[in-house]
Amino acid sequence: QSVLTQPPSVSGAPGQRVTISCTGSNSNIGAGYAVHWYRQLPGTAPKVFIYDNDSRPSGVPDRVSGSKAGSSGALAITGLQADDEGDYYCQSYDNSLRSVVFGGGTKVTVL
Amino acid sequence: QVTLRESGPALVKPTQTLTLTCTFSGFSLTTTGMCVTWIRQPPGKALEWLARIDWDDDEYYSASLRTRLTISKDTSKNQVVLTMMNMDPMDTGTYYCARLTHSTHVLDVWGQGTPVTVSS
Repeated sequence: QSVLTQPPSVSGAPGQRVTISCTGSNSNIGAGYAVHWYRQLPGTAPKVFIYDNDSRPSGVPDRVSGSKAGSSGALAITGLQADDEGDYYCQSYDNSLRSVVFGGGTKVTVL
Repeated sequence: QVTLRESGPALVKPTQTLTLTCTFSGFSLTTTGMCVTWIRQPPGKALEWLARIDWDDDEYYSASLRTRLTISKDTSKNQVVLTMMNMDPMDTGTYYCARLTHSTHVLDVWGQGTPVTVSS
């Protein structure tokens, strides 16, 4: 049972927009801690995809965006492409657990 | 360029102790705000945070695994070591180390991971 809640899967046709939600509580995201997103391709390590709620590392296209409101974060991908498929994890910090916390991961499928 | 690399046994027997080493370069664990953390991922499952050690020697552990884990650092060798006691087949998975930035808790650089199987 992950501390942060994500939908197990989302899908969309090429060109569409998909959004992944990440719901926490007032001891993590709601306490003001940043939301970070990681993308993991099969057989590889996760890589930062969005950091500090809405910042993109170099190499991540601007059709990808992150947001945070209250105790939740969200990752949006517009203009969906086949190579956007993969597993996406949100992450934050929890001051009650004093630990890094992850979501359960969301599999993005391009139809 | 920041890199991290995990090393350790690929196979351990139940009840044995697992020792994993994270060797890093491109930063120092004596620099304020630098931390190294361990994460694992069972096959087909989600990421699970395990432990963290900070530049100031503070240590943090997953509440569910606290009694089995020990994290330590050797700043002269740029290494962080994680030991996990009393291994069980449920501990099978890929183990990652990553650099964590204390200011925002982002895991900005990850190692490639090392697979560990627990089996007799």
